[in-house]
Amino acid sequence: GEDVEQSLFLSVREGDSSVINCTYTDSSSTYLYWYKQEPGAGLQLLTYIFSNMDMKQDQRLTVLLNKKDKHLSLRIADTQTGDSAIYFCAETLTDSWGKFQFGAGTQVVVTP
Amino acid sequence: DGGITQSPKYLFRKEGQNVTLSCEQNLNHDAMYWYRQDPGQGLRLIYYSQIVNDFQKGDIAEGYSVSREKKESFPLTVTSAQKNPTAFYLCASSIMGGQYSNQPQHFGDGTRLSIL
Repeated sequence: GEDVEQSLFLSVREGDSSVINCTYTDSSSTYLYWYKQEPGAGLQLLTYIFSNMDMKQDQRLTVLLNKKDKHLSLRIADTQTGDSAIYFCAETLTDSWGKFQFGAGTQVVVTP
Repeated sequence: DGGITQSPKYLFRKEGQNVTLSCEQNLNHDAMYWYRQDPGQGLRLIYYSQIVNDFQKGDIAEGYSVSREKKESFPLTVTSAQKNPTAFYLCASSIMGGQYSNQPQHFGDGTRLSIL
């Protein structure tokens, strides 16, 4: 079956790098996504990676994918207070008609 | 600007009452989705629709109903049969690519529903 797991909380100091981890169980995943949710708002798409890639970089964001271990990570360089939010990992499967499987979300708190 | 509009932002339901949450998109997306978000549980899929006049149940459809009469609109009704409706409800849409679709979903800003 499908399952996506994330740690629930991460505290990081302003200016440091944040690393948010995600594991998934279904090897038929095609794309893996990272979304950001600020308080009281919807989900904002940050980035996504195709399952045959190892890494994708977009400004301060770096996504690493270890397909063998089914492990996905999001690194945020030079973390700012505006990065405080909940971050969701999500996957789509090969025959899911576009449906997503979301993790429970990681609450990131950036301290001065 | 294109986007997804959910209304109202806050909604209160009385016992035995049905309430309807609105979701409108002007992105020309084929597929639309409704999720329920509870603290610490992530997003759970309620209903989804890939095309006008067609929709399928998600993982937690009991106590909810939807319609898809227009491409732009996908309203969700929370019926009195839903005994624990207090949650944050999110609507999303995506380009529909068929059985192997992997298009990103785009989200509205949500509706928070509470019981009076």
